[in-house]
Amino acid sequence: ETGVTQTPRHLVMGMTNKKSLKCEQHLGHNAMYWYKQSAKKPLELMFVYSLEERVENNSVPSRFSPECPNSSHLFLHLHTLQPEDSALYLCASSQDTSPTYGYTFGSGTRLTVV
Amino acid sequence: AQTVTQSQPEMSVQEAETVTLSCTYDTSESDYYLFWYKQPPSRQMILVIRQEAYKQQNATENRFSVNFQKAAKSFSLKISDSQLGDAAMYFCAYKAGAGSYQLTFGKGTKLSVIP
Repeated sequence: ETGVTQTPRHLVMGMTNKKSLKCEQHLGHNAMYWYKQSAKKPLELMFVYSLEERVENNSVPSRFSPECPNSSHLFLHLHTLQPEDSALYLCASSQDTSPTYGYTFGSGTRLTVV
Repeated sequence: AQTVTQSQPEMSVQEAETVTLSCTYDTSESDYYLFWYKQPPSRQMILVIRQEAYKQQNATENRFSVNFQKAAKSFSLKISDSQLGDAAMYFCAYKAGAGSYQLTFGKGTKLSVIP
């Protein structure tokens, strides 16, 4: 058990669809993150939540909408995506918002927009 | 803004041999943390090793060790006695001191292990 679980593992969606990515952590951490991983590019921080409050929105287009209903769950709602949004979306958590011991990651959702 | 550079997109090593992956970073901070993460085909990023900038001693974790050169802003990862399971993408990451929540990652190095 990794401690951070992401579903679905793979997702193919059309540009007009609406879908959601789910992340769940069983570590008792207080901070959760969404990162986008594209080939040959550094990981891009998208959103940060601390104790269910958003503390960072890194200039992400509004077609990505995060939700954090409690400290264990994080969602990324997707709508009217573009083909360039195809990527691996990684969820991570940390004890607090100054992660001196780094993050714990999930296995990601591979998103393909067609 | 901090940047992390991994100059080797791909590396290969013979099984049981030693390999060193390079990482440099740019920062004006004096207090920060550095990490190496491994991402195997399963895709989960796994923390390999961590270094606190104020500690002079290089971190080690079993077969993994780092060469931390603060003045040169260099943080290389050495893998000794390489094993087939070491084949993965390796990412170097930087975090500024207290109060910063963001890890800044390099583009990664793909390591292949040759049997």
